[in-house]
Amino acid sequence: EVQMEESGGGLVQPGGSLRLSCTGSGFTFGDYAMNWFRQAPGKGLEWVGFIRRKAYGGTTEYAASVRGRFSVSRDDSATIAHLQMNSLKTEDTAVYYCARDEAPDYWGQGVLVTVSS
Amino acid sequence: DMQMTQSPSSLSASVGDRVTITCRASQDIRNDLGWYQQKPGKAPKRLIYGASTLQGGVPSRFSGSGYGTEFTLTISSLQPEDFATYYCLQHNAYVLTFGGGTKVEIK
Repeated sequence: EVQMEESGGGLVQPGGSLRLSCTGSGFTFGDYAMNWFRQAPGKGLEWVGFIRRKAYGGTTEYAASVRGRFSVSRDDSATIAHLQMNSLKTEDTAVYYCARDEAPDYWGQGVLVTVSS
Repeated sequence: DMQMTQSPSSLSASVGDRVTITCRASQDIRNDLGWYQQKPGKAPKRLIYGASTLQGGVPSRFSGSGYGTEFTLTISSLQPEDFATYYCLQHNAYVLTFGGGTKVEIK
């Protein structure tokens, strides 16, 4: 059974940093791109960024709203992907989800990130 | 920038009704589109991929159609468990884009 699970959320002050993790199981992790999404309270879904599989260069793409502040990495041997979030703003407050594949199929349950002083 | 225009933003319907939701892409995205259902406090669940292929385990009352710039999600006979918010998501470009969502409520 394919499973995705996020961890690492919490409360952080504006300007601070936080690293989220996404662990995948039940599939060959290295064969898939990994996406990150978020959903601010009461709002719609927003794509944050993704990392391609190593066979396609392991390169990354980001939404304009986070480019230069957030970065995605992966460790296929540990079946984990990370979202490093720097220079956090109050508007980054959201539930963050990871999802497998360029056409996202399986999603984690989400983790809350609150940016507040 | 790629934009996905989803309509309506909300609708009220009764159990048994046929419901149609539309997404329009600002550029040709071929069939690189999925439809997702989200219930409050839960992660999105994919219903349709490749614009028209039903995800395994999803009831056949859900169907998708379209290619290029116009896409439709249809629920042939709305069931109580279908009251939720629905989103389209294009993954054709290097930037993924959601539609604004359609909240389906009980009439």
